[in-house]
Amino acid sequence: GAVVSQHPSRVICKSGTSVKIECRSLDFQATTMFWYRQFPKKSLMLMATSNEGSKATYEQGVEKDKFLINHASLTLSTLTVTSAHPEDSSFYICSARPHEGVSYNEQFFGPGTRLTVL
Amino acid sequence: TQLLEQSPQFLSIQEGENLTVYCNSSSVFSSLQWYRQEPGEGPVLLVTVVTGGEVKKLKRLTFQFGDARKDSSLHITAAQPGDTGLYLCAGGGDYKLSFGAGTTVTVRA
Repeated sequence: GAVVSQHPSRVICKSGTSVKIECRSLDFQATTMFWYRQFPKKSLMLMATSNEGSKATYEQGVEKDKFLINHASLTLSTLTVTSAHPEDSSFYICSARPHEGVSYNEQFFGPGTRLTVL
Repeated sequence: TQLLEQSPQFLSIQEGENLTVYCNSSSVFSSLQWYRQEPGEGPVLLVTVVTGGEVKKLKRLTFQFGDARKDSSLHITAAQPGDTGLYLCAGGGDYKLSFGAGTTVTVRA
């Protein structure tokens, strides 16, 4: 149980294009999903908290117009990197917190998406 | 923001040896999680500790939560190459998690 998928797993795009990454909870409903960015050999940096049916909450320093987040249902959140540039190249990981049955701050992570902007 | 400090940053040991990873903070946490991440994959939850002084075992992995709930440790007995990975501790409130910087563990065959 508690499986989270991400699509695509890898994407290469040209500078200036937009890229959409999907995060799905496969066997549970998630009121809250989280988007992280990870640099090589570094820890996870929280970008934003995504709540179903409401606007995402962005961490300080994260441009909300650059990283658009939509949480349209209890099983799907999307992150769109708009007008991507090489400095946006990174490993993006989503996580989901089950709607029910979780007492603590446990999150279940997707496998990540490697974005390379040329 | 509740900060978590992990040590050591890197650990390279021979198969069969033991290792311990530490996670410390000046803040009190209601719970702490330990995750393991392999290259190119997302973190996988290993354990959640919630009670001060609690000890949890997962096969060769032993997790301990400090009495004051400000620190935790992960001990691996007789490490195997399959234990290689990035170990992350995490804790927080309001559903958000703060992550330690991670400990990269390499177990040589």
